[in-house]
Amino acid sequence: GQQLNQSPQSMFIQEGEDVSMNCTSSSIFNTWLWYKQDPGEGPVLLIALYKAGELTSNGRLTAQFGITRKDSFLNISASIPSDVGIYFCAGRSNFGNEKLTFGTGTRLTIIP
Amino acid sequence: NAGVTQTPKFQVLKTGQSMTLQCAQDMNHNSMYWYRQDPGMGLRLIYYSASEGTTDKGEVPNGYNVSRLNKREFSLRLESAAPSQTSVYFCASSESAGPNTEAFFGQGTRLTVV
Repeated sequence: GQQLNQSPQSMFIQEGEDVSMNCTSSSIFNTWLWYKQDPGEGPVLLIALYKAGELTSNGRLTAQFGITRKDSFLNISASIPSDVGIYFCAGRSNFGNEKLTFGTGTRLTIIP
Repeated sequence: NAGVTQTPKFQVLKTGQSMTLQCAQDMNHNSMYWYRQDPGMGLRLIYYSASEGTTDKGEVPNGYNVSRLNKREFSLRLESAAPSQTSVYFCASSESAGPNTEAFFGQGTRLTVV
């Protein structure tokens, strides 16, 4: 099956710092989605990407659909305490069943 | 705006007991999904329903059954619960199963099998 490698697994940063995380795939995806999950809650969609090379922003968040269609990046600028949580990438291909494949998540902790 | 609603939120079962997790969406979405989330493993698809009347296996279907009761509702059943099924279960829905659609998640059901 398709594999999604998400890194880093965890990050410890200070408030105000920028954050970068990425996902790489063993196969081509046509859609990349980035979700955030707060404790005890379901994942909430942050950004959706549909075209190779696409760069999309949502406030302080910016995500890019890699040109090879096998990777995606999420950046958070000037982190604030409410950014704490687990971030998941998810990819979908057009081949076969078109199901979403999720990465294993990046846990973001902000040090006061 | 309810979105995707799951019940119950918490459940403890004894090994061998059965139960059904309920999910309903009010977004008129065609496709619905059941995932399980385990530490360090992200979200894994159990079953999905691309449209009303159809269901298909996902990555980890063993030990589960599903029913797409109508367009709104998609239930997940554990016939004989096992400790390995201790997990957090998420239901999701999307407008369709096509490539340019986004999945929206419920708040999860935390299941413990003892």
